[in-house]
Amino acid sequence: EIVMTQSPATLSVSPGERATLSCRASQSVSSSLAWYQQKPGQAPRLLIYGASTTAPGIPARFSGSGSGTEFTLTISSLQSEDFALYYCQQYNNWPPLTFGGGTKVEIK
Amino acid sequence: QVQLVESGGGVVQPGRSLRLSCAASGFTFSSYGMHWVRQAPGKGLEWVAVISYDGSNKYYADSVKGRFTISRDNSKNTLYLQMNSLRVEDTAVFYCAKCGLNWGFLGSWGQGTLVTVSS
Repeated sequence: EIVMTQSPATLSVSPGERATLSCRASQSVSSSLAWYQQKPGQAPRLLIYGASTTAPGIPARFSGSGSGTEFTLTISSLQSEDFALYYCQQYNNWPPLTFGGGTKVEIK
Repeated sequence: QVQLVESGGGVVQPGRSLRLSCAASGFTFSSYGMHWVRQAPGKGLEWVAVISYDGSNKYYADSVKGRFTISRDNSKNTLYLQMNSLRVEDTAVFYCAKCGLNWGFLGSWGQGTLVTVSS
C-alpha cells in the first residue's frame, strides 16, 4: 500500500498571500495524483487530477505540480473561501486508493 | 449537473447490518465507475470500495473485505453498500463518489450519510 504524507498539518496564511501545500508518496505514483478541498460539514471537492490538471469550475489560483513522489498544491492568492482542509490522493497503484492525512489552511 | 444523494445511515448495534444507497442523477450512471469513501468523526478520508460501470469489477479496502458488498442497479441509477458485521470502528460519514476521467480519482461526491455503530 502506498502511504501518502502531507505537510504541514496546519498552514497559517493571511488572505491574499500564497499557500504551498506538500504531498509525498512512499513510492512513485507517476502523475496519478489528485487534490481535494473539504470545508467543515461539506463533502470533499475535486480540485486537481493528473497532478496538474485543474478540474472544471476550479479557480485559476489553484495549481498543482510534481511527479513521482513529490507533489505541491499552490493557491496563488488566498481568498476567504479557500480556508479549508486539503487532501492528496494517489491512484497509480491501487487498490487501495490512499489519501494523505490532510493539511488545514487557516487564517493567520 | 451531477447529483449524488446518499441515504440509509443511522445508529446500529455492533454486529448488525445496514445498507446504504446512493441515488445518482445528472449524468449517464451506467457509464461510470462509482466509489464509497468514509470519514470517521474528526479524521481523514478512507477509501472503502469501488465498482466498475457495469458491476463486473469490484474492489475493497482490507478493513471491510468480507463484510461489505458494493453493488449497483443501473436501471435505477443507484449505488449500494451492504454492510454486515458492523464494528464500532466503522462509525463514519459514508460518501458515494463518481469516478473521474480515470476511475482512480473521484470527480463528484455526495453529501454523505452518517453511520454510527454503538451499543
